[in-house]
Amino acid sequence: GQQVMQIPQYQHVQEGEDFTTYCNSSTTLSNIQWYKQRPGGHPVFLIQLVKSGEVKKQKRLTFQFGEAKKNSSLHITATQTTDVGTYFCAVFSGSARQLTFGSGTQLTVLP
Amino acid sequence: DAGVTQSPTHLIKTRGQQVTLRCSPKSGHDTVSWYQQALGQGPQFIFQYYEEEERQRGNFPDRFSGHQFPNYSSELNVNALLLGDSALYLCASSRGTGNYGYTFGSGTRLTVV
Repeated sequence: GQQVMQIPQYQHVQEGEDFTTYCNSSTTLSNIQWYKQRPGGHPVFLIQLVKSGEVKKQKRLTFQFGEAKKNSSLHITATQTTDVGTYFCAVFSGSARQLTFGSGTQLTVLP
Repeated sequence: DAGVTQSPTHLIKTRGQQVTLRCSPKSGHDTVSWYQQALGQGPQFIFQYYEEEERQRGNFPDRFSGHQFPNYSSELNVNALLLGDSALYLCASSRGTGNYGYTFGSGTRLTVV
């Protein structure tokens, strides 16, 4: 399956600061999905991007898919303690019928 | 609208034993995929079941097997457990192959001692 690298691995921010995680691939991606996993929890689907240059927003979360479809980012504005967790990007391969996850970015929000 | 249900939530087994994990998909979903998540890592694909057949398999040995029942529920079986099999096992359901996103269950935490 298509491989994705995710950075940073860890991020500590003060509550109210912004946060961004990046997902990069050496090959063109057909799509990118983003999941959030709270500590001790399970991945929860956030969004899927499929179009070049696509930007989608969910309240304080902004998701972008690069023009070349080789990278994606998730930006959180004014973080809150409820944003704590690990954010994963993942690529879905229809032919392989599987999601390939990045290594995740673990976000800690300090009150 | 019920989400994905997995049982048991936690399990401790001894090396060499066998284990069966169970999953009931979200209502309306017909496809079940299983993932293994080691501590601090992203989930790794084990296999996917659709129409009671294994449709795709990840890079896991034959010790890992599964089954899907007519009501779309699924089981994951692991034989001859190794210490390295200790992980969170996640079941994900979808309508079709999953190209619109998966719904994950809360997982089964397996510890092999």
